[in-house]
Amino acid sequence: EAGVAQSPRYKIIEKRQSVAFWCNPISGHATLYWYQQILGQGPKLLIQFQNNGVVDDSQLPKDRFSAERLKGVDSTLKIQPAKLEDSAVYLCASTRGLWGGGNTIYFGEGSWLTVV
Amino acid sequence: QQQVKQSPQSLIVQKGGISIINCAYENTAFDYFPWYQQFPGKGPALLIAIRPDVSEKKEGRFTISFNKSAKQFSLHIMDSQPGDSATYFCAASMIGGFKTIFGAGTRLFVKA
Repeated sequence: EAGVAQSPRYKIIEKRQSVAFWCNPISGHATLYWYQQILGQGPKLLIQFQNNGVVDDSQLPKDRFSAERLKGVDSTLKIQPAKLEDSAVYLCASTRGLWGGGNTIYFGEGSWLTVV
Repeated sequence: QQQVKQSPQSLIVQKGGISIINCAYENTAFDYFPWYQQFPGKGPALLIAIRPDVSEKKEGRFTISFNKSAKQFSLHIMDSQPGDSATYFCAASMIGGFKTIFGAGTRLFVKA
């Protein structure tokens, strides 16, 4: 079974520029997550989709971050304009069930963003 | 109430020793407690998980001990090996709920 695919793996941009990350979850997984992981910290949930509907985006900085999951499969996370504090690894993850709790979360390898 | 507090932040253990990482939670509604292992440059991967109806779960060299009354759980790595060097995250969630809350992580280094 193929894992969670993410691209690009690495991106360096200047502050105030924009960036987009793409994620393809494991086939058949209903729930998709975007996490932000700052160096030395645990993953912080940005947004959670159940199929193509948003179930939690309470920690997404909506003035600069946006995400969509078209047709309940692939997802894109966009940052515009980027700030220095957005430098982090952006992890996409998925679970088979509709409910994240109690299920194994499968993570991609992450997209590393450096804002200079 | 939604936090999971993890300690220590970092840990150095000799090869063959026991590594112990501790976590504490506040929300008594949590009923699923996984541990994730993350190697540099990779995403976290599920290592082992426990539900509060048991006090201990063992898989190979990895054991979770769970103390429901103290709202604490810990990961024990027996006969620690250099290949175990990674960052370990505890987590907590409610089965059937939406959220999984992660601890801040423990960086383990096993000296050869």
